[in-house]
Amino acid sequence: AQKITQTQPGMFVQEKEAVTLDCTYDTSDQSYGLFWYKQPSSGEMIFLIYQGSYDEQNATEGRYSLNFQKARKSANLVISASQLGDSAMYFCAMRESGTGGFKTIFGAGTRLFVKA
Amino acid sequence: DAGVTQSPTHLIKTRGQQVTLRCSPKSGHDTVSWYQQALGQGPQFIFQYYEEEERQRGNFPDRFSGHQFPNYSSELNVNALLLGDSALYLCASSSETSGRGTDTQYFGPGTRLTVL
Repeated sequence: AQKITQTQPGMFVQEKEAVTLDCTYDTSDQSYGLFWYKQPSSGEMIFLIYQGSYDEQNATEGRYSLNFQKARKSANLVISASQLGDSAMYFCAMRESGTGGFKTIFGAGTRLFVKA
Repeated sequence: DAGVTQSPTHLIKTRGQQVTLRCSPKSGHDTVSWYQQALGQGPQFIFQYYEEEERQRGNFPDRFSGHQFPNYSSELNVNALLLGDSALYLCASSSETSGRGTDTQYFGPGTRLTVL
């Protein structure tokens, strides 16, 4: 079963506008972490933002905010005031427990194109 | 503070050969995870090392093995290479201090492996 679902293979946004990238997840754990990473064409995974399952407030990091709706099991990334440099692949990920430790599961990603 | 480093950057091998990839974690991190990212897909978890032992493993065959050294650096070994092993191999480090799987992983730049 798909654990992390990103339903938008590609998204376009006009420079300086806001964009929301969708992510839904599935887990039976009570304690888990949700992450968003950015992957430019260079390949490196850049950590953007984190939301813990027990956090009551939505996480924010500069222009990035995470719209966490626990009951709906969604963790959408909102990028405000898009910049040309935001063009990249964006991955939603979840850390969940397993025997002996934790592992991170990634979604298929959303490619964001920012238009000038 | 140096981030996660990986070597080599690129590698070309032929089918049947063996390869070793290396990773040095971010300062202060004691846990290393390895991921395989095929073109156009999200990273797939291979395994995780903590205290020099494999703690978690994804759905990868035994041809994929690893090691963690006392200084927390790690190696990924792949034997009997197949064409399908061509991918970006990412190393991520973390410090599992919370014990709840909520610690952020930081990724290295990756090693791009091409199998001919």
